[in-house]
Amino acid sequence: DIQMTQSPSSLSASVGDRVTITCRASQGIGNDLGWYQQIPGKAPKRLIYAASSLQSGVPSRFSGSGSGTEFTLTISSLQPEDFATYYCLQHNSYPLTFGGGTKVEIK
Amino acid sequence: EEQLVESGGGSIQPGGSLRLSCAASGFTVSSNYMSWVRQAPGKGLEWVSVIYSGGGTYYADSVKGRFTISRDSSKNTLYLQMNSLRADDTAMYYCARDSRGPFQWGQGTLVTVSS
Repeated sequence: DIQMTQSPSSLSASVGDRVTITCRASQGIGNDLGWYQQIPGKAPKRLIYAASSLQSGVPSRFSGSGSGTEFTLTISSLQPEDFATYYCLQHNSYPLTFGGGTKVEIK
Repeated sequence: EEQLVESGGGSIQPGGSLRLSCAASGFTVSSNYMSWVRQAPGKGLEWVSVIYSGGGTYYADSVKGRFTISRDSSKNTLYLQMNSLRADDTAMYYCARDSRGPFQWGQGTLVTVSS
């Protein structure tokens, strides 16, 4: 199985900050990676697919990069509605595997 | 409007069975890859199973041999039959439409396995 290691597990940031979250795959997965946002009590929402493609309707302050084993989600200017938990997901091979999550909290 | 609505969750004793349903509207279940993903209370997301448009299936090792994913084209509904339930199956279960990973999610249905 492919293991996804996500870091950090949590971070504190202020509105307007630039935030970067990293995911590392245990083996190469090309660009078969998505990023998800989950607000407590809600279903996850996909932000990025194919490592760097923005899901329709998602604000452009979200961006993804990387390929192979190293991937990054960047929020260019953190907004109040962005405080949530973020997960990466590899869909290169089954079983699909999520990263452990990054909780973004208000500083 | 495209929508997924799960049902069938509840409280069940260890060793019991439940069948979850996921009714779709606005698109055809059998023409899509469809997945189940779960989330234990306070924990991260765990992929459970997928059914391809062609009918093939895959399962997480943690549920293989106990859970069965299926669909009914006439009802445009996805199912997850869960047998031999254990305490560690307690979770919110989400169904999702899948293309390069799950991208359209239902609101979830809660399964609690406890004596």
